[in-house]
Amino acid sequence: KQEVTQIPAALSVPEGENLVLNCSFTDSAIYNLQWFRQDPGKGLTSLLLIQSSQREQTSGRLNASLDKSSGRSTLYIAASQPGDSATYLCAASTGANSKLTFGKGITLSVRP
Amino acid sequence: DTAVSQTPKYLVTQMGNDKSIKCEQNLGHDTMYWYKQDSKKFLKIMFSYNNKELIINETVPNRFSPKSPDKAHLNLHINSLELGDSAVYFCASSQGPQPVEQFFGPGTRLTVL
Repeated sequence: KQEVTQIPAALSVPEGENLVLNCSFTDSAIYNLQWFRQDPGKGLTSLLLIQSSQREQTSGRLNASLDKSSGRSTLYIAASQPGDSATYLCAASTGANSKLTFGKGITLSVRP
Repeated sequence: DTAVSQTPKYLVTQMGNDKSIKCEQNLGHDTMYWYKQDSKKFLKIMFSYNNKELIINETVPNRFSPKSPDKAHLNLHINSLELGDSAVYFCASSQGPQPVEQFFGPGTRLTVL
């Protein structure tokens, strides 16, 4: 059974800092790993999807990496801004029907 | 244009009632999902439909019954609501059940009193 862990649960950084959000998973037989952003009271916005054959994906100031052998993914946010404040969730796709298993998320606060 | 929409956004009801949540996607996707996010913000899949056929059914009480009238719609009906059903329910869709990107709706916050 796949388990996805995100530690720490919360993070507070000053504006402008580069930061890394970690995600680990127990079953390395994943199809892909997806990073989402969730704003308070809102739905999930897909940020990046990394296929199992890929090592990383980039979108603007975001870069996500995937290391299947170690069961880890990281989301790198460059030059953080207050608008980046949100909860970031990672989800691994595994199993016959590509079921997504989510971590509990990291709540990020970027201080002006 | 809203890609995945859900109604209602908020639902407050008494224990024992029956309620439905509707979901529609205009992305042309053929796979739709229901997720539950509990009070601790933990998000778990409940059901998945591909071309109106149930393909994922997690260990969800049979009081929950999904219904897919067509590929663009997946509704969730809940019978005999219990306090523990209070949560945010998210609908999502993707192109195929293959491991592809999923797109989520805004969520429906259900409160059972």
